[in-house]
This record gives sequence, C-alpha cells and structure tokens, in this order.
Amino acid sequence: KAGVTQTPRYLIKTRGQQVTLSCSPISGHRSVSWYQQTPGQGLQFLFEYFSETQRNKGNFPGRFSGRQFSNSRSEMNVSTLELGDSALYLCASSPTRGRGKYEQYFGPGTRLTVT
Amino acid sequence: DQQVKQNSPSLSVQEGRISILNCDYTNSMFDYFLWYKKYPAEGPTFLISISSIKDKNEDGRFTVFLNKSAKHLSLHIVPSQPGDSAVYFCAAPLRSGGSNYKLTFGKGTLLTVNP
Repeated sequence: KAGVTQTPRYLIKTRGQQVTLSCSPISGHRSVSWYQQTPGQGLQFLFEYFSETQRNKGNFPGRFSGRQFSNSRSEMNVSTLELGDSALYLCASSPTRGRGKYEQYFGPGTRLTVT
Repeated sequence: DQQVKQNSPSLSVQEGRISILNCDYTNSMFDYFLWYKKYPAEGPTFLISISSIKDKNEDGRFTVFLNKSAKHLSLHIVPSQPGDSAVYFCAAPLRSGGSNYKLTFGKGTLLTVNP
C-alpha cells in the first residue's frame, strides 16, 4: 500500500497570509489526524477527521481549520499566519478498528516557514 | 497539561550497548502505549506498542516494559546501532468517548548512537 502523502513538502509564507496543506491517507484508512511539531514541544494534536466529520480537536485557535472529503483526503487551513505558526505539520491516518487501531501512520510532513 | 512525559531530551550511547528511553504518564486511564521513531525530514514511524494487560512486549532488538504502579514505561534497544539515532516519542491514546481518541505524545528523546 502507498503511504500517507502530504503536499507541499515545503512552504514559505508571509505574516497575514493563509495557507492550505493537503494530505492523502493510506487507502482504506478513514481517520486522518493533523499534528504540529515545533522544537521543544513535541507533537501537538490539532484535529482529527473521520468520515468527513471533525471528531476531535486540540487546543489551537480558530485560525486553524480542516476538512475531509468523501475519499478521506484531508486539508488543513491556517488563516492570518503568524511567525509562531512556523512548524512541521504532520498528517497521520489510522485504520480505527481491529488490531492496530491506535497505530497512526504519518506522512513526511509539510515544513511551513512564516516570515 | 503534559500527560505523557519524556524527561530526558537526549541520550547518547555507544554502538552495541543498550539504549534505555524512559516515559512517564499521569493519566491512570491510559491502557495502551506506543513508541514512535522519527528521523529528520520524515514523519514518525510506529515502532512498538504495549497494552496495559502486559508488562513487557518484545520485537527483535526492541523491548518495551510497562510498570503500571509507577506509571512508567521504558523502551530498551539491544544492541544499539548507529541507524537507531533518531528522536523517539512515547504516546498514549486519550479516549474521548466511544471509539474516539487522540494520541497524546511526549516531547521526545533524541537518541544518538556513536560508532
């Protein structure tokens, strides 16, 4: 099976702009989660989508939003970018049932730099 | 509130020796734990997991030990190899009702295996 793919891999934006990141999960995985990784903070959960519905949400401001399409592909959007949004954004998919349901499979991430 | 804690930001060991990475948790409701490995510019990859009904799980060179009374788990790598040099994250699923959960990660430990 092909792994989780994320596009673009690198992105440079300026403060105040908005950005959309894309994620294609592993075929058959219906759950997609997004994480932000910054130095010293580990992986911080943004939100999770399952069957086109946001099922869980982390403690991020409303500038961070996402959606999931009927084919399970997901996008996340950050509006009014701030310097502190510079991070590696990781997408992960999981099978959600059966053995291994807690194992999330990560994409390579999108490195966002805000200047 | 950091419910999964990795108190050692880094660890350096010699090739062939044992690497021991530690993780503590505060939420007694956690009943499943996972370890992920992350190389630079790549997403985390699942390494090994353990259910709270066990106190040990082994997979090749990797063994995870769980001490529920101490709310502590550790990952042992024997023998350590230079290719094991990476950031290791401990994680646990935080349930939010039904089958909903979100993975809660520690901040990671950078393991360096010296030749």
